Amino acid sequence: GAVVSQHPSWVICKSGTSVKIECRSLDFQATTMFWYRQFPKQSLMLMATSNEGSKATYEQGVEKDKFLINHASLTLSTLTVTSAHPEDSSFYICSAVTGVAKNIQYFGAGTRLSVL
Amino acid sequence: QKEVEQDPGPLSVPEGAIVSLNCTYSNSAFQYFMWYRQYSRKGPELLMYTYSSGNKEDGRFTAQVDKSSKYISLFIRDSQPSDSATYLCAMNSGGSNYKLTFGKGTLLTVNP
Repeated sequence: GAVVSQHPSWVICKSGTSVKIECRSLDFQATTMFWYRQFPKQSLMLMATSNEGSKATYEQGVEKDKFLINHASLTLSTLTVTSAHPEDSSFYICSAVTGVAKNIQYFGAGTRLSVL
Repeated sequence: QKEVEQDPGPLSVPEGAIVSLNCTYSNSAFQYFMWYRQYSRKGPELLMYTYSSGNKEDGRFTAQVDKSSKYISLFIRDSQPSDSATYLCAMNSGGSNYKLTFGKGTLLTVNP
């Protein structure tokens, strides 16, 4: 149980375009999801906390207008990187919290974004 | 002082060795402790989850938490090449705060 699916696994886009990444909880309802960014050989950096039906809470230094997060249902959260630039190239990972063990996060497989 | 300290390694061991991975932390409010395994270019996978102090065993993996010393460990017995990955410790204080505080991760290589 507690499977989180993330799509796409790898996306290449041109500078200036927008990219949407989906995060789905497949076998549970996730009232809270998280979005992370990870640079090579570094740990995860929390970008934002996403709660179903409400606005996301962004960490300090994360541009809200650049990284749009929508959590419209209990099983889906999306991250849209708007007007992507090469410096946005990174590994983006989502996680979700179940209603039972709320302190455990289950992670998606990650999305590698390459902006040309 | 960082909230969670973890030696990044790299750690290289022969197949069959016992591996010991450790983290120390400074926030005494932490109550939930997790170990994740992350393969290259993949998301972290939950290995072990422990609440408060004590030991927990699951197959070849044993997690230990010593809250008095603010020290957690993950032991891997009979290590296999497939255990080669980065191991992340993570923890939080519980309640309505679901955010995790991560260690930097330890890169482990098990050589056949």
